[in-house]
Amino acid sequence: GENVEQHPSTLSVQEGDSAVIKCTYSDSASNYFPWYKQELGKRPQLIIDIRSNVGEKKDQRIAVTLNKTAKHFSLHITETQPEDSAVYFCAASVNQGGKLIFGQGTELSVKP
Amino acid sequence: GAVVSQHPSWVICKSGTSVKIECRSLDFQATTMFWYRQFPKQSLMLMATSNEGSKATYEQGVEKDKFLINHASLTLSTLTVTSAHPEDSSFYICSAITGTSGVNEQFFGPGTRLTVL
Repeated sequence: GENVEQHPSTLSVQEGDSAVIKCTYSDSASNYFPWYKQELGKRPQLIIDIRSNVGEKKDQRIAVTLNKTAKHFSLHITETQPEDSAVYFCAASVNQGGKLIFGQGTELSVKP
Repeated sequence: GAVVSQHPSWVICKSGTSVKIECRSLDFQATTMFWYRQFPKQSLMLMATSNEGSKATYEQGVEKDKFLINHASLTLSTLTVTSAHPEDSSFYICSAITGTSGVNEQFFGPGTRLTVL
């Protein structure tokens, strides 16, 4: 079955710096890659997603890149703010069925 | 739109009792719902996939007789933790998808914090 690896597990940056979180997946049939932000005790919130027919997607300060050949995708957050501090999860899904397999999570801390 | 609710938001029970958690899609019909378990400082682990009107599909290692899932309607799925023990204490989150093939975005419920004493 699908396996998703996420790195780093923790990331600390200064306000205004960029943050990059990386994930790899094992199932070449996966074609949907969402990123979630989760605050303590809350539900995951979708922040951006990308499908396998696209190599890059950007939404304001957030961007995701996908390398299908390497089975690798990354989240980029620019101009980080303290309110970006949270746990971020990547996930992968094969179209049929829609079940998501999550990475281990990255705890991002943005210091003012 | 696409709101998913869960009830209760938290529950405390004694060891050996059963607990039922409800997951509802409030403004859409969910042909498929998913149940996840999340231990502190860990990731979301998929427990099972629930399709309306059919038996749930459980992930490897999840005891189907312990975690009973019922998806009786297009807006409601329930997870019953039977004979709960302290190791079952966790954050249980459901999600639902709004469409069929080609639509994968999942909408998550707010989660249920289960504490077994």
